[in-house]
Parts: sequence; structure tokens; C-alpha cells
Amino acid sequence: TQLLEQSPQFLSIQEGENLTVYCNSSSVFSSLQWYRQEPGEGPVLLVTVVTGGEVKKLKRLTFQFGDARKDSSLHITAAQPGDTGLYLCAGARAGGTSYGKLTFGQGTILTVHP
Amino acid sequence: SQTIHQWPATLVQPVGSPLSLECTVEGTSNPNLYWYRQAAGRGLQLLFYSVGIGQISSEVPQNLSASRPQDRQFILSSKKLLLSDSGFYLCAWSPTYNEQFFGPGTRLTVL
Repeated sequence: TQLLEQSPQFLSIQEGENLTVYCNSSSVFSSLQWYRQEPGEGPVLLVTVVTGGEVKKLKRLTFQFGDARKDSSLHITAAQPGDTGLYLCAGARAGGTSYGKLTFGQGTILTVHP
Repeated sequence: SQTIHQWPATLVQPVGSPLSLECTVEGTSNPNLYWYRQAAGRGLQLLFYSVGIGQISSEVPQNLSASRPQDRQFILSSKKLLLSDSGFYLCAWSPTYNEQFFGPGTRLTVL
């Protein structure tokens, strides 16, 4: 069973601060996705990283995939109240019979106070 | 563009009653389809996935079943609901074996 450890579970910060969320595993993933979810809604895909060492930027969000494709991080610069939500990482299992099944981290609940 | 629908949005059912949740995808053909359950504010647990009509794989033993009667329709069912079946149920589709796109979810409360 592939596990994805996400940390921290909770993050409460002031507007303007920076933060980093981590996802770690002992297993290799073919790709890793980051999602953001609002209460009562489905997760929305933010980014997919595929190549080891890959870095992608989405405005104030920076995503990195580890060289060995076992870990990933999400860094938010100058957080805003609109960034508040549940952030989920998910790894796509490698292998021909994986059928795109994703292993999800437990999520990080981020609260940004004005 | 592709869209995914789920209904109902919310459902309150007594213990022992049957369940049927529906998911449909528009704007694509032969998608991979997935059913997840999510505990409050936490990660998602994969329940079922399907790579084609009539092809269902279960990830965890449980009180639920799934069916795919049409290419873009995925149904989650139960004959007799348990209290532990309460939760937020999400359907997702994928065009590849990487990212997945989620529906709005169904909040199920079993009393």
C-alpha cells in the first residue's frame, strides 16, 4: 500500500506570511497532483507535476516534485484570506495496472487571517 | 468542455434504507471514473473505479456497490445503509492516468 504523509495538518497564519506544505512517501509516484477544496465542494486541481525535480509556479504558489518522485511541496508566498481552504496532495500510482488510482494525503487545513 | 455532475447534492436517509447516488460526465468519451468518500475536512478514500462500461473494481470491502451502465454514468448503491456510511461522496473522472477532475459531491447523512 502506498502512503502519502502530508504535513502540517493544520496551519493558521496571518495575511502576508509565507507557508510550505509537505507531502512525503517511501513510494515512487508517476505523477503528483495538488488540489484545493472549499467546504461542501469537490476538490479543484491546482497543478500536476510529473518529472523528478520539476518546479511549477501558479501566481503566488510554487510546487516542487522531489528528484526521486517520492515527495512534493507547496509553497505559498504572501498568503491572502482567499487562500483559505483544504489543500490535498495526491500521487498517481505507478504501474500498468494502476488505472490512474490516486493516493491522497490527509490534507492541510489552511486558515489565513486578515 | 467537460463537466461532471452529481446528484443529489444532499441526502438524509434512515439506517437500513437503500441508496443510489448518480454521477454523469459530459463532453468526453470513455473516461476513467472513480468514487471516493471523504471524512470531514480530510483526505479521500477511493471506493470504486471503472475503466469502461460494466467494469468495476472495488478498493475496500464495504456495504456499498457501484455500477457503470453507460459510458459516462457511474452509480453508487447500497441495499441497506449503515450509520458508518455517512460522509461526503465524490465522483471523479480522468482522461489519463494522472490528474482527476471532481464533481461537486453528495453529502449523505444516515440517521
